[in-house]
Amino acid sequence: TQLLEQSPQFLSIQEGENLTVYCNSSSVFSSLQWYRQEPGEGPVLLVTVVTGGEVKKLKRLTFQFGDARKDSSLHITAAQPGDTGLYLCAGNSGYALNFGKGTSLLVTP
Amino acid sequence: EPEVTQTPSHQVTQMGQEVILRCVPISNHLYFYWYRQILGQKVEFLVSFYNNEISEKSEIFDDQFSVERPDGSNFTLKIRSTKLEDSAMYFCASSLVGTGNTEAFFGQGTRLTVV
Repeated sequence: TQLLEQSPQFLSIQEGENLTVYCNSSSVFSSLQWYRQEPGEGPVLLVTVVTGGEVKKLKRLTFQFGDARKDSSLHITAAQPGDTGLYLCAGNSGYALNFGKGTSLLVTP
Repeated sequence: EPEVTQTPSHQVTQMGQEVILRCVPISNHLYFYWYRQILGQKVEFLVSFYNNEISEKSEIFDDQFSVERPDGSNFTLKIRSTKLEDSAMYFCASSLVGTGNTEAFFGQGTRLTVV
């Protein structure tokens, strides 16, 4: 099983701050996805990155795939309370998605 | 916007009983999945299904588990004889592509509690 390590595990910040969370692996992935999960709900797909070095932006969220396709980062600019949630990265392994444990983000007003 | 729907949202069952969790994947998707998430733990892959057969399964998906696509819309997960440790959120997902660049869309989940 290809392990995905996410850091930090928990992050509590104030509204308006910037933050970056990381997803690292020793394995190469053909693609990597970021999901956001609210308590008691299913993961919601945010973005898929495929090409090494790729950068994708989704409003205030910037996703980057490492050149070697082993790691990725998610940067949030000017965080808002609505950004609160569990951010999961997942990499393809055959037909399965292999998930990290996630970064739990709390943004307080 | 198309979505994956799951029923029931909550299921409480006694140990040893059979349960069937139901899912309606997104209509034009070809690949279907079941994942589970034990409270406080990460999302774990159980099984993938394509063209009416299992394409991949994890170690978790033992003989107590089975999947079926009984008609053109439903996709079910059956647990034959539930154990306490089967208590978890079970998520169904579907995708257009199966490997390499799988963008999987997840349902809201079924919370299974085995007592």
